Amino acid sequence: EVQLVESGGGLVQPGGSLRLSCAASGFTVSTNHMNWVRQAPGKGLEWVSVIYSDDSTYYATSVKGRFTISRHNSKNTLYLQMNSLRAEDTAVYYCAGRLGPTTPFDFWGQGTLVTVSS
Amino acid sequence: DIQMTQSPSSLSASVGDRVTITCRASQGIKNYLAWYQQKPGKAPKLLIYAASTLQSGVPSRFSGSISGTDFTLTISSLQPEDVATYYCQNYNSVPPWTFGQGTKVEIK
Repeated sequence: EVQLVESGGGLVQPGGSLRLSCAASGFTVSTNHMNWVRQAPGKGLEWVSVIYSDDSTYYATSVKGRFTISRHNSKNTLYLQMNSLRAEDTAVYYCAGRLGPTTPFDFWGQGTLVTVSS
Repeated sequence: DIQMTQSPSSLSASVGDRVTITCRASQGIKNYLAWYQQKPGKAPKLLIYAASTLQSGVPSRFSGSISGTDFTLTISSLQPEDVATYYCQNYNSVPPWTFGQGTKVEIK
């Protein structure tokens, strides 16, 4: 059974930093495409970032230059380093795994809440 | 970026009713379209992929169809457990992979 478990969310001041983690079991982070998707309170889903199995990365325009996606293969864990946080980054952050480039987001974690506020 | 326009934003129907949600892509995405169901406080759940393929374990009352750049999710007989928000998503070859705005389905 595939499990993705996010952690690291919390309250942070504007301009601050936070690192989210997504620990995977039953699913290999290094050989699949891993994503972060966020959902602001009461709003829809927004794709944030992806890391491919070949280590290439892509970001939504809204977070480019501020967020960094990475993974630790031996820990089978995905990360999202978030810097220069803004109020509009407040959201539940989900990690989501894809089995390949032509598959949808097959597996989702339960999400972790990030609140950016003074 | 490809825009996904989903409608309606909300609907209310009776148990047993047929419910239809539509999603239009701003450009061609072939059949790289998924539908997700999200219940309050929960993560999205994949229902349909490749526009019309039912994910394993999803009830057969859910179906998807495609006509050009227009996509449809149909619930043939609405059940109380189907109360949720439904999202379409383009997962075409390159990011960003955009979602529709969501459709909140309620029981009348």
